[in-house]
Amino acid sequence: DAKTTQPTSMDCAEGRAANLPCNHSTISGNEYVYWYRQIHSQGPQYIIHGLKNNETNEMASLIITEDRKSSTLILPHATLRDTAVYYCIVTTDNAGNMLTFGGGTRLMVKP
Amino acid sequence: GAVVSQHPSWVICKSGTSVKIECRSLDFQATTMFWYRQFPKQSLMLMATSNEGSKATYEQGVEKDKFLINHASLTLSTLTVTSAHPEDSSFYICSARDLQGTETQYFGPGTRLLVL
Repeated sequence: DAKTTQPTSMDCAEGRAANLPCNHSTISGNEYVYWYRQIHSQGPQYIIHGLKNNETNEMASLIITEDRKSSTLILPHATLRDTAVYYCIVTTDNAGNMLTFGGGTRLMVKP
Repeated sequence: GAVVSQHPSWVICKSGTSVKIECRSLDFQATTMFWYRQFPKQSLMLMATSNEGSKATYEQGVEKDKFLINHASLTLSTLTVTSAHPEDSSFYICSARDLQGTETQYFGPGTRLLVL
């Protein structure tokens, strides 16, 4: 699986949009981009995933660049409950394959 | 989304005892479940892949005789830490993939193990 690079930490003001970047310059054509988050002392929570097109669900939006070498997870209106470690993962086989977790981005949402 | 449960949520045991952790997919079937371990301030590390009806596949460096995995049904996988030692103290997390192929792995809430 391709390796991902994320900033170690980010801050965001409550109510503002949180934009979390991820670089995956070695991604191959059949690899998906997945985002999970882990709130302290809990199991990871699925957020969103995509292959080529931008995706949106009730939690977030995923913007994938045209060359697919990077992506951005957008939380449109961050709340204090969104404080967590966010993991960007690139994997093949529709997540039937194992997920390799990197260091992730620690997002701190502040009042 | 689909729900995965783990039991117990936390356990304290004496060194040398064995501990069993259950992972259940509550509202879907899963032929494949994964077991992860997470030490404080570190990321999740995959330990093994659990396949229903067959032997688990262990990652390099994970002792299969120490971490016994059984995937007896499409909704249950168990991880048994045998002869636990203090260095086995960690946060153990399982995940399961929906058999219907929704392209998503769902994670349990984790089990915190403390070996005294």
